[in-house]
Amino acid sequence: DVKVTQSSRYLVKRTGEKVFLECVQDMDHENMFWYRQDPGLGLRLIYFSYDVKMKEKGDIPEGYSVSREKKERFSLILESASTNQTSMYLCASRTGWGTEAFFGQGTRLTVV
Amino acid sequence: QQQVKQSPQSLIVQKGGISIINCAYENTAFDYFPWYQQFPGKGPALLIAIRPDVSEKKEGRFTISFNKSAKQFSLHIMDSQPGDSATYFCAASPYSGGSNYKLTFGKGTLLTVNP
Repeated sequence: DVKVTQSSRYLVKRTGEKVFLECVQDMDHENMFWYRQDPGLGLRLIYFSYDVKMKEKGDIPEGYSVSREKKERFSLILESASTNQTSMYLCASRTGWGTEAFFGQGTRLTVV
Repeated sequence: QQQVKQSPQSLIVQKGGISIINCAYENTAFDYFPWYQQFPGKGPALLIAIRPDVSEKKEGRFTISFNKSAKQFSLHIMDSQPGDSATYFCAASPYSGGSNYKLTFGKGTLLTVNP
């Protein structure tokens, strides 16, 4: 059974903290993605990676960075968390064009 | 710029009825159009997908209709059931390789099927 695993389901952090969200996939997929989900706004792409150490900005990269040192792991970093980054974060992976994207369960982050 | 526009935002249907969700896109480079279903507390999961070489694809009670000239596609759920109550997202992806494997999503439709 294919799997995308996000390290935390729920996370509460303080304003200004550096936050790491971790995602691991076991399908040997080249492409990994971080989305943010907010009510009424759908899924918005933050960053994606098409190979190890390769990354590309999505639609809303401000305030975020990413790291991909190994093929199976893609990390999202909030350099200095702010309350407007309170959201559901979803990690996904896919092998290439025209293929299914598999999502993790999501991490609900609250910044207080 | 919203590249994939989805409507309606919410939909209430009676059990046994037909649910219809519509999406429109602008980027002619899009060449793969999936629909995802998301239940509360879960990540989205692929429901059905279509490529523009066909105008319709059916899987059980779920059908995608695709109109390339109008740049529109829609999801039809026949004989809607309470268990279909979920949020549905349309998406689109370009065909070229390299870094263009990202999926662009619509804003989602919350479907409620009443018993």
